Amino acid sequence: QQQVKQSPQSLIVQKGGISIINCAYENTAFDYFPWYQQFPGKGPALLIAIRPDVSEKKEGRFTISFNKSAKQFSLHIMDSQPGDSATYFCAASTVDKLSFGAGTTVTVRA
Amino acid sequence: DAGVIQSPRHEVTEMGQEVTLRCKPISGHNSLFWYRQTMMRGLELLIYFNNNVPIDDSGMPEDRFSAKMPNASFSTLKIQPSEPRDSAVYFCASSLSGGPVNEQFFGPGTRLTVL
Repeated sequence: QQQVKQSPQSLIVQKGGISIINCAYENTAFDYFPWYQQFPGKGPALLIAIRPDVSEKKEGRFTISFNKSAKQFSLHIMDSQPGDSATYFCAASTVDKLSFGAGTTVTVRA
Repeated sequence: DAGVIQSPRHEVTEMGQEVTLRCKPISGHNSLFWYRQTMMRGLELLIYFNNNVPIDDSGMPEDRFSAKMPNASFSTLKIQPSEPRDSAVYFCASSLSGGPVNEQFFGPGTRLTVL
């Protein structure tokens, strides 16, 4: 049973557009919510992360929005670029163990 | 640092054979994780170690799978006997447990094909 539900499974966006990926969780013990980015043939790599005491975190064109009461969080990719084409995984953890969402494949059309 | 090192990068074997995947974590990291990635099941945690001790192996699918971490710089994941449904990409990741950030650093993965 997946502890973190992620949607959509895939999305296509035009260059310069906004990509939005949503995740939801049930376990209120989760205290760390990272997003990982994976390119074909590579391992996932940490993109950005947030803790539940913060509602938003921005790093460059990437923003996490966090809604603790709704147990939801999302990744926004602003001004999407072809180099952002990858699979994105949300995750949640308590202590050391990460539970990953199913992943979203983002394709940015030039 | 070279990052997490995995070997081999690709492995093709026949059903029934023993397969051993190897991982060298980042120096100084004290937690090590083995994941399996497939299209159907996504990224699954198989087992993780903290200070070389297995902490949670609830994701290990069957007794055919075993993992060891004899020291802080080396771990193996063994499948014996292998089956076609074990075909997947296996990732090793390491992290510094207890720090302010729980970032896991992933290796490049081993693509396993069982014929």
